[in-house]
Amino acid sequence: QQQVKQSPQSLIVQKGGISIINCAYENTAFDYFPWYQQFPGKGPALLIAIRPDVSEKKEGRFTISFNKSAKQFSLHIMDSQPGDSATYFCAAKYGAQKLVFGQGTRLTINP
Amino acid sequence: DVKVTQSSRYLVKRTGEKVFLECVQDMDHENMFWYRQDPGLGLRLIYFSYDVKMKEKGDIPEGYSVSREKKERFSLILESASTNQTSMYLCASSLYPDNYGYTFGSGTRLTVV
Repeated sequence: QQQVKQSPQSLIVQKGGISIINCAYENTAFDYFPWYQQFPGKGPALLIAIRPDVSEKKEGRFTISFNKSAKQFSLHIMDSQPGDSATYFCAAKYGAQKLVFGQGTRLTINP
Repeated sequence: DVKVTQSSRYLVKRTGEKVFLECVQDMDHENMFWYRQDPGLGLRLIYFSYDVKMKEKGDIPEGYSVSREKKERFSLILESASTNQTSMYLCASSLYPDNYGYTFGSGTRLTVV
């Protein structure tokens, strides 16, 4: 099944809080899981990515947690800032070159 | 930085018109993609190309075709535009074999009336 299910659709977090976005998949052939960040009027931009042989990857305030047995992965944004307000997409790579994207999460960080 | 440029930011077309969406990348990437973005549905792959004159269907190719005559340019064609093709269209490119990091254009918002 070439599908990635993302939740929640929208999320409001207070400044300084932790933002958590979850994704789930069925296809065990997926071998790369990136997250993209999209600001209004812009295309999505690669934020952080993980391979399934790693359980966690951290880059600054952004962390991906990966649970291979549960076929789930999540994005954690620590110390969330108003500048993090954007739409976030999880994705998974299948075949040689194609990405399938989740439905997107609109994140709002209140100051 | 890689730049992916989409020729139009906004387009309004009439039902039945033939519509061309153009995309150009400036970093010699082999792979190019067309996605459409709709609220609640995320990004869905329409077509992709991994070389000049090569193309493969994505998940929702119906009603669309593509053309890649030059490496840097990838065109999406709506043969006969319909209202259900009103959407945001995003072009992306990536470098083979390191094709994991897509670079997206800013998108074309197409309205079919």
